[in-house]
Amino acid sequence: ETGVTQSPTHLIKTRGQQVTLRCSSQSGHNTVSWYQQALGQGPQFIFQYYREEENGRGNFPPRFSGLQFPNYSSELNVNALELDDSALYLCASSTGTAPGNTIYFGEGSWLTVV
Amino acid sequence: AQSVTQPDIHITVSEGASLELRCNYSYGATPYLFWYVQSPGQGLQLLLKYFSGDTLVQGIKGFEAEFKRSQSSFNLRKPSVHWSDAAEYFCAVGPNAGNMLTFGGGTRLMVKP
Repeated sequence: ETGVTQSPTHLIKTRGQQVTLRCSSQSGHNTVSWYQQALGQGPQFIFQYYREEENGRGNFPPRFSGLQFPNYSSELNVNALELDDSALYLCASSTGTAPGNTIYFGEGSWLTVV
Repeated sequence: AQSVTQPDIHITVSEGASLELRCNYSYGATPYLFWYVQSPGQGLQLLLKYFSGDTLVQGIKGFEAEFKRSQSSFNLRKPSVHWSDAAEYFCAVGPNAGNMLTFGGGTRLMVKP
């Protein structure tokens, strides 16, 4: 039990649509990051939020955006969905950005784009 | 740019046998290294991490890993594998701050009875 809850667990969208994925972290977890894990691959870092500000981004286009809220929840938004966006999206949270902090992962949201 | 290579995509071992999963990294500074396990349909669970100090790191579930700077490796080991260890294992390297990890492609472990 990591204390990181993601919703929905599975969803199907059509190419061109928009999707919002949600993550709820433990109290005090002011750092949240999102990862995309395509089938058979390792997770790829999308972006990180620290105290509601984006402070790191991987090699993903601007149609991937996010929000972090004061209540330790966060969102990942993807616009203009493409077939290659089909993947498991993982949320990870921690109590700060120091390297000694343990990073807790949620169980992910499976997105299928048809 | 940092990168992680897990050379073995699949490994099959017999229950009770020893296990070693390989991980090689490329990173410009002192790396922060992690091993995670992912069971089917599950998120990632941290097995162990290395930041500094003793190069042999003990983790959960009887796993250990050894950091070898000269070989840019961080191999995961377990002396006796249990059927419940069947899962996907990921090695990751991080910067000195934050949750921005770079993962390898993973090694799928199968355990024979």
